[in-house]
Amino acid sequence: SYELTQPPSVSVSPGQTATVTCSGDKLGEKYASWYQQRPGQSPVLVIYQDKKRPSGIPERFSGSNSGTTATLTIGGTQAMDEADYYCQAWDSSSAVFGGGTKLTVL
Amino acid sequence: EVQLVDSGGGLVQPGRSLRLSCAASGFTFDDYAMHWVRQAPGKGLEWVSGISWNSVTIDYADSVEGRFTISRDNAKNSLYLQMNSLRAEDTALYYCAKGSGTVTTLNWFDSWGQGTLVTVSS
Repeated sequence: SYELTQPPSVSVSPGQTATVTCSGDKLGEKYASWYQQRPGQSPVLVIYQDKKRPSGIPERFSGSNSGTTATLTIGGTQAMDEADYYCQAWDSSSAVFGGGTKLTVL
Repeated sequence: EVQLVDSGGGLVQPGRSLRLSCAASGFTFDDYAMHWVRQAPGKGLEWVSGISWNSVTIDYADSVEGRFTISRDNAKNSLYLQMNSLRAEDTALYYCAKGSGTVTTLNWFDSWGQGTLVTVSS
C-alpha cells in the first residue's frame, strides 16, 4: 500500500521559516494537500493541489511538490501555528495521510 | 458557512454495531462527495470511506472493507456510516469531511465535523 512519510517533529523559532516535508513514491506526480490540527480541534485544510491556499489561510503558508517530496513552508512562523500537520494524497481510489508532524514554536 | 455535525458515537462491545451520522448545512449537499476520516487516540488521521454525490461511487479503506457501509440521504443533507463487527482497533474519533468535488477521488477535504468518539471495549 502507498505510504507518505513525515518527520515526527519540527521545531522553529518565532518569526523564522518552518519546513515540513512529506515523502512518497512518485509523490510529485500526484496532488498533495496539507491539514493543520491544533490540540483538541478538528483538522483544517491549509494547502490543496500542492500550493493553493483556501480562503482565510494566511499567505505565510505555502506549498510545493516535486519528485518524491511535498513541502509545507510557513514563513514568519507565529505561536498560533504550533500544531500537528498532515500531508495527504490519493493512491488510486484511497486517500492516504502522512503520519503527521508536530510543529513546535519555541 | 459550512457546518458538519457528527453524532452517534459511544461505547460498544467488540463484534457489535454502531451507526454514525453527519448533518450538513451551509452548502448544496448533493453537489459534493463526502468522506469519513478517523483518528485513534494519540494517533494520526486515517481515511475510512468516501461516497460520491449520487452514491454511485463508494470506496473503503482496506481496514474496514466488508464491515463498514457508507451512505447518504441528499434529501436530509445527511451522511451515515454503518459500522458492523467492530473491533478494538476501530476505537477512534470519527470525522465527517466534505470533499472538494462530486466524485470521491482526488478530493481535498475542505471542511470537517467536530468528530464523534467510538470506543470498542468489553
